[in-house]
Amino acid sequence: QKEVEQNSGPLSVPEGAIASLNCTYSDRVSQSFFWYRQYSGKSPELIMSIYSNGDKEDGRFTAQLNKASQYVSLLIRDSQPSDSATYLCAVIRLTGGGNKLTFGTGTQLKVEL
Amino acid sequence: GAVVSQHPSWVICKSGTSVKIECRSLDFQATTMFWYRQFPKQSLMLMATSNEGSKATYEQGVEKDKFLINHASLTLSTLTVTSAHPEDSSFYICSAIQGADYNEQFFGPGTRLTVL
Repeated sequence: QKEVEQNSGPLSVPEGAIASLNCTYSDRVSQSFFWYRQYSGKSPELIMSIYSNGDKEDGRFTAQLNKASQYVSLLIRDSQPSDSATYLCAVIRLTGGGNKLTFGTGTQLKVEL
Repeated sequence: GAVVSQHPSWVICKSGTSVKIECRSLDFQATTMFWYRQFPKQSLMLMATSNEGSKATYEQGVEKDKFLINHASLTLSTLTVTSAHPEDSSFYICSAIQGADYNEQFFGPGTRLTVL
């Protein structure tokens, strides 16, 4: 089982719609969860971080965390063509070698006009 | 916000040569820096954790003699790919944290390495 799993997509949504991105993780003791956006050829940029169960909203983005189900999601409201990118779910795992940020393989989002 | 730079942004080299990539924290002191590698259509994979003044900790499967990491100051870590081969061609990304705040990693812009 992969440590962080995402559907690779592509996920296509029309402009103005809600995009829903999902992620599951295997390490039950993980406490910190992140969503990054990565444009082609660029390094990832942080969109949201979430540490507690429930929802966290920031503008058009809402992150949802359910630790019991080991599930994290990201909702993007009013999707824009500029949101087209790969979205990486990441989890901080506590290991014997220290805290490590582990990424999923990413979901490619395409927002169509 | 905190800024991390990388140099060079891209490099092309011949097989068998060595390439050095620099990662700098521009406006903060980074006790810990991380080096990631990303192959096309794949995710970022942690290669090593670099702590100022001590030896880097490498992830399983990463050859420490091939990927030399030096973190000589609180603002600079370097990754040297020794005897590079075409399979080392990848996007190398560094990140840095302030103190022990692992929840906030600042990523550099990445270095595209192409080995001919």
